[in-house]
Amino acid sequence: EPEVTQTPSHQVTQMGQEVILRCVPISNHLYFYWYRQILGQKVEFLVSFYNNEISEKSEIFDDQFSVERPDGSNFTLKIRSTKLEDSAMYFCASNPGLASTDTQYFGPGTRLTVL
Amino acid sequence: GEDVEQSLFLSVREGDSSVINCTYTDSSSTYLYWYKQEPGAGLQLLTYIFSNMDMKQDQRLTVLLNKKDKHLSLRIADTQTGDSAIYFCAEIYSGGYQKVTFGIGTKLQVIP
Repeated sequence: EPEVTQTPSHQVTQMGQEVILRCVPISNHLYFYWYRQILGQKVEFLVSFYNNEISEKSEIFDDQFSVERPDGSNFTLKIRSTKLEDSAMYFCASNPGLASTDTQYFGPGTRLTVL
Repeated sequence: GEDVEQSLFLSVREGDSSVINCTYTDSSSTYLYWYKQEPGAGLQLLTYIFSNMDMKQDQRLTVLLNKKDKHLSLRIADTQTGDSAIYFCAEIYSGGYQKVTFGIGTKLQVIP
């Protein structure tokens, strides 16, 4: 069964450094998402992406964050200058479409630790 | 805005049934989901239900939806130790690009 993949599984970085989290959505899907889960808290929506542009973003998704689909398969989340509070599990997800029968598939997550 | 609430913890004996409850606020939700997260792992879609259904059964899992009360439950029959995990209730916000809104998760502990 096709699945969403994410790399790396764990990323450790120093505060102030830039990180890029990578995702490969399911190949025929059109809508892509990033979510994050701070330890012990809810999974929170960050951003949705369609047709090579951001379609919706949350208050969390400030200027430090950006997303890109650099080629036909990858979908990346960049954090420009990481802060301690960016430490979290980041989940990528994809949807084939927006029909009522479509459902969202999540990747295994990247655990980001900012020191 | 949309919100999903669920209790934090549930403990059951192996072989018993588990019932995890959830309430949500968005009456225009099209889908309601249950995700399972094992320690250190990602989000595994367990089951989902359309908002126009009352019940869905899938092997040991039964999902009940009371749309009037905006209440969703997940029943796991014959609970096993491998069912120990965090279970997230979630809804799709139908008014946008289908972002998923999650509850905080119910930690299910199965006692052998």
